[in-house]
Amino acid sequence: GAVVSQHPSRVICKSGTSVKIECRSLDFQATTMFWYRQFPKQSLMLMATSNEGSKATYEQGVEKDKFLINHASLTLSTLTVTSAHPEDSSFYICSARAPGRTLNTEAFFGQGTRLTVV
Amino acid sequence: GQQLNQSPQSMFIQEGEDVSMNCTSSSIFNTWLWYKQEPGEGPVLLIALYKAGELTSNGRLTAQFGITRKDSFLNISASIPSDVGIYFCAGRDSGSARQLTFGSGTQLTVLP
Repeated sequence: GAVVSQHPSRVICKSGTSVKIECRSLDFQATTMFWYRQFPKQSLMLMATSNEGSKATYEQGVEKDKFLINHASLTLSTLTVTSAHPEDSSFYICSARAPGRTLNTEAFFGQGTRLTVV
Repeated sequence: GQQLNQSPQSMFIQEGEDVSMNCTSSSIFNTWLWYKQEPGEGPVLLIALYKAGELTSNGRLTAQFGITRKDSFLNISASIPSDVGIYFCAGRDSGSARQLTFGSGTQLTVLP
C-alpha cells in the first residue's frame, strides 16, 4: 500500500526554540495532507489540512502562527512548531491521500513524531 | 460538529477469544474506516467501508457499515497476542473535504 514517511520520529527541544516535522508521501503524490495531534491515551485531533500550493486550513482553536504548515510539493508537507513550550509536547501525526484515484483511496498515516519540550 | 462514540473503551480478553467493538455517529457518514495503532506508531488502516450494509473482511477481521450509515462494528476472531493495540474507527461525510472524524479508541489487551 501507499507509504507515508514522517521525520523525525522523536525530538527533544528547549523552550522557545522551533521544531520542524516533515511528512513525505513516498510512492504517490498527495495534494492534501493532514496534521493531527494526539495526547496520551486519547484519540487523534485534527489540527490542519495542508493543501499543496495554497494556505493550510486550520481547525478551530489551532494557532496558525504557532503551527506553521508548508506544503510546497506534492510529496512533502512540513509542520513547524514555533517558540515551543512544554505544553506543546505531544505526538504529532500526518496523513496523506493520493489525488485523482478512485474514491476508495484512503488516508495513510506517518509513523508519528514524539515532541518533548523541556 | 460530528461526534463518534466508540465502545468499549478497553477490553481484556483471553487469547483465542473473539472481540467486537463498535462506533455510532450523531450524523450520517459515507465512509467508515477502522485503524489499529500500536504504541509510538501512527495508525494503520485495517478495513475501509463505503456502502451502507457492506460487510468486509481482512483475515480475522470483519467490519460492517451499518444500514443507517450512523454506525459500524469491527470483529476480530480467534484473537492472538499481536492483536494488542488501540483500535480506532473513523468516519467521513461528503461535505468534510476528505477529513476524518475519529472515535475515542478501544484499547485491546490479549492475555495469553
